[in-house]
Amino acid sequence: GAVVSQHPSWVICKSGTSVKIECRSLDFQATTMFWYRQFPKQSLMLMATSNEGSKATYEQGVEKDKFLINHASLTLSTLTVTSAHPEDSSFYICSASSGLTFYNEQFFGPGTRLTVL
Amino acid sequence: SQQGEEDPQALSIQEGENATMNCSYKTSINNLQWYRQNSGRGLVHLILIRSNEREKHSGRLRVTLDTSKKSSSLLITASRAEDTASYFCVTVGIQGAQKLVFGQGTRLTINP
Repeated sequence: GAVVSQHPSWVICKSGTSVKIECRSLDFQATTMFWYRQFPKQSLMLMATSNEGSKATYEQGVEKDKFLINHASLTLSTLTVTSAHPEDSSFYICSASSGLTFYNEQFFGPGTRLTVL
Repeated sequence: SQQGEEDPQALSIQEGENATMNCSYKTSINNLQWYRQNSGRGLVHLILIRSNEREKHSGRLRVTLDTSKKSSSLLITASRAEDTASYFCVTVGIQGAQKLVFGQGTRLTINP
């Protein structure tokens, strides 16, 4: 149980285009989803926290107009990188939490590698 | 939550040897969690140890927690090539937490 999928697993796009990444909880309802970004050989940096049906909370330094997050259902959150540029190339990972445990255990997706040319 | 600081940053050992990684943190915790990340992949939750526990086992993994020293260690016994990965520790404070903050992790390489 507690499986989280991401789609696509990798994407290459041209500079200036927008890319949408999906994060789905397959066998549980995720009241909260998180989006992380990871540059090569670096740690995961939290970008935003998204609760179903409400606006995402962005971490300091993350542009909300550039990284659009939608959490319209309890099993799906999307991250759209708008007007992508080469510096947005990174590994994007989502995680999901059911919120049913005190420690709010998070289950991670396999990640999406974005390359912007 | 707060960031755990892993040590060493990189560790390279021979297959079959044991690997030990350490984690230090600063404030009181409810629990501490270890995650593994294979290169270019998502994270896998390995083990969670609560503040009132001192040691926990899961297969070849052994985690210890010393709340007086605010430190934890992850021991992987009889290492295998597939253990090559980055390992991260994350702590959850006594208030509980939604977001996790990751440290730089320990990059473990198992040489055949």
